[in-house]
Amino acid sequence: NAGVTQTPKFRVLKTGQSMTLLCAQDMNHEYMYWYRQDPGMGLRLIHYSVGEGTTAKGEVPDGYNVSRLKKQNFLLGLESAAPSQTSVYFCASSSGGQGATEAFFGQGTRLTVV
Amino acid sequence: GQNIDQPTEMTATEGAIVQINCTYQTSGFNGLFWYQQHAGEAPTFLSYNVLDGLEEKGRFSSFLSRSKGYSYLLLKELQMKDSASYLCAVKGGLTGGGNKLTFGTGTQLKVEL
Repeated sequence: NAGVTQTPKFRVLKTGQSMTLLCAQDMNHEYMYWYRQDPGMGLRLIHYSVGEGTTAKGEVPDGYNVSRLKKQNFLLGLESAAPSQTSVYFCASSSGGQGATEAFFGQGTRLTVV
Repeated sequence: GQNIDQPTEMTATEGAIVQINCTYQTSGFNGLFWYQQHAGEAPTFLSYNVLDGLEEKGRFSSFLSRSKGYSYLLLKELQMKDSASYLCAVKGGLTGGGNKLTFGTGTQLKVEL
């Protein structure tokens, strides 16, 4: 019963390097989200997706790109990492429809850019 | 856009009751969620409100007033393990089918003996 799995859990990057964070969910959820969490800032939405092949910008999209080629996967890319992108990244997914469609979170990726 | 406000910190005594408030402004409203997050862990779901009124779930209750853009989370019989950050989140927005999920900055609750 995996739920939402994020890969990797930890990563250290040098300024200017690129990387991709992978989020995979096995609950057949329509909606997927990428957040970053910094001390005192709460969870800030980077990008989200309301279905396979769709993406939308959140509050802090600059410096990030995303893709949702398969329903179960949502990838977050950093093309040229900057120290300001040092953060904990959380992926979440939720089902569509009415009712208490709560989001389920992955365990987070701790990224440090030096 | 969506704007969510909640107090930064609160302190309460073990066994007591605490109320954490959340006010929000949003274009399009499709529900309000409360999450709990312990240090170093992922957020976990606590409660959901989409209609006005009180939802009760064991020691936790959540209230919503859509006309006032206001919600609160009530925690009863506080335990030390309730020390955590409590996050208010609103689902809504005018794009993405109203499924944009935005979080407040969280309220850090400290439970003392």
